[in-house]
Amino acid sequence: RKEVEQDPGPFNVPEGATVAFNCTYSNSASQSFFWYRQDCRKEPKLLMSVYSSGNEDGRFTAQLNRASQYISLLIRDSKLSDSATYLCVVNKASSASKIIFGSGTRLSIRP
Amino acid sequence: EAGVTQFPSHSVIEKGQTVTLRCDPISGHDNLYWYRRVMGKEIKFLLHFVKESKQDESGMPNNRFLAERTGGTYSTLKVQPAELEDSGVYFCASSLRAGGPLTDTQYFGPGTRLTVL
Repeated sequence: RKEVEQDPGPFNVPEGATVAFNCTYSNSASQSFFWYRQDCRKEPKLLMSVYSSGNEDGRFTAQLNRASQYISLLIRDSKLSDSATYLCVVNKASSASKIIFGSGTRLSIRP
Repeated sequence: EAGVTQFPSHSVIEKGQTVTLRCDPISGHDNLYWYRRVMGKEIKFLLHFVKESKQDESGMPNNRFLAERTGGTYSTLKVQPAELEDSGVYFCASSLRAGGPLTDTQYFGPGTRLTVL
């Protein structure tokens, strides 16, 4: 079983739609969680950290469910520029600095 | 402020040759990381430097890979001799600090796309 699992997609949704991704992680001792965004042939860029209480940044909302070991990302009022691959990232419990990437979920927003 | 830079952006070499990748972290970042993404797979951790010291090299695939960070500034990753399965995108990242309950944000470079023929 992979340490971080994501639905690879692709998710193809119309502009303005709301879309949600989930990610599960295997190690219950993990403490840091992130969503990164990666555009085609570009480097990953931090979208947002995920806190226990959940957090929101504009159209983006991240939630953490420790009991079920999953993280979610909700994008509201999606824009064409949101098209990208979204990477779920979790720190390795034995090493705060070592992060584990999911394989990513591809999102495509259509006009 | 300049971000993480990597050189070269692309490298095409033949099996058995040597390639050296370079990473310049954000100025003042003590922590430097190397990652690799092979085709169709997720990005995987290779190693972590704190200044010039290797903090964690558990992700290095084998002894054909050698990473250095002399002086604690830029880092090099040498692959010698390169094999076909080494093809992929090698990312470097840096962060101000690491450890503790919240990992400090890692900023990624644009990557080096390595193709071994």
